Amino acid sequence: DVKVTQSSRYLVKRTGEKVFLECVQDMDHENMFWYRQDPGLGLRLIYFSYDVKMKEKGDIPEGYSVSREKKERFSLILESASTNQTSMYLCASSYRGDFQPQHFGDGTRLSIL
Amino acid sequence: GQNIDQPTEMTATEGAIVQINCTYQTSGFNGLFWYQQHAGEAPTFLSYNVLDGLEEKGRFSSFLSRSKGYSYLLLKELQMKDSASYLCAVRGRGGYQKVTFGTGTKLQVIP
Repeated sequence: DVKVTQSSRYLVKRTGEKVFLECVQDMDHENMFWYRQDPGLGLRLIYFSYDVKMKEKGDIPEGYSVSREKKERFSLILESASTNQTSMYLCASSYRGDFQPQHFGDGTRLSIL
Repeated sequence: GQNIDQPTEMTATEGAIVQINCTYQTSGFNGLFWYQQHAGEAPTFLSYNVLDGLEEKGRFSSFLSRSKGYSYLLLKELQMKDSASYLCAVRGRGGYQKVTFGTGTKLQVIP
């Protein structure tokens, strides 16, 4: 069964902390995505990566960075967490030719206090 | 950019048919997608339309009219497990063909 795994289901951090969200996929997909989902705003793309060490900004990259050192792993980094980054974060992946996310992880609900 | 509109909530009866509409305005269009998301779970891919017309997949069908910037998802023989949010998403042209999501329609199926 295909799998996108996010390291934490729930996470609580403090303002100003550096936060790492990890995502691993076992489908040998080239494309990986990070979204955040907020009530009334839907899914918004933060960053995506179409290959190892490659990344592209999405719609809301401010305050975030990403790392893709290996094909199967895509990390989202909150450089200095702020309360407005409290959200549900979803990782997804797809094959090279599919620019839409095909498989999602279960999400990480991040609270910044 | 992309602008996608869909109703916030809908209610329908078990066994009935429901149509969830999605309208979009886009600077470039290269496909429309529907996803299902149960509460507290990840979205799952349902359907893909790039040409005008109806795509049928079991109890679910999706329709696209590119000239009208309009799509709908049709769910037949509704079951209680169909209670979920349904997300419409549009893929743009050029570059990395970014996909933009609507805010989703929360469907409640009642007995």
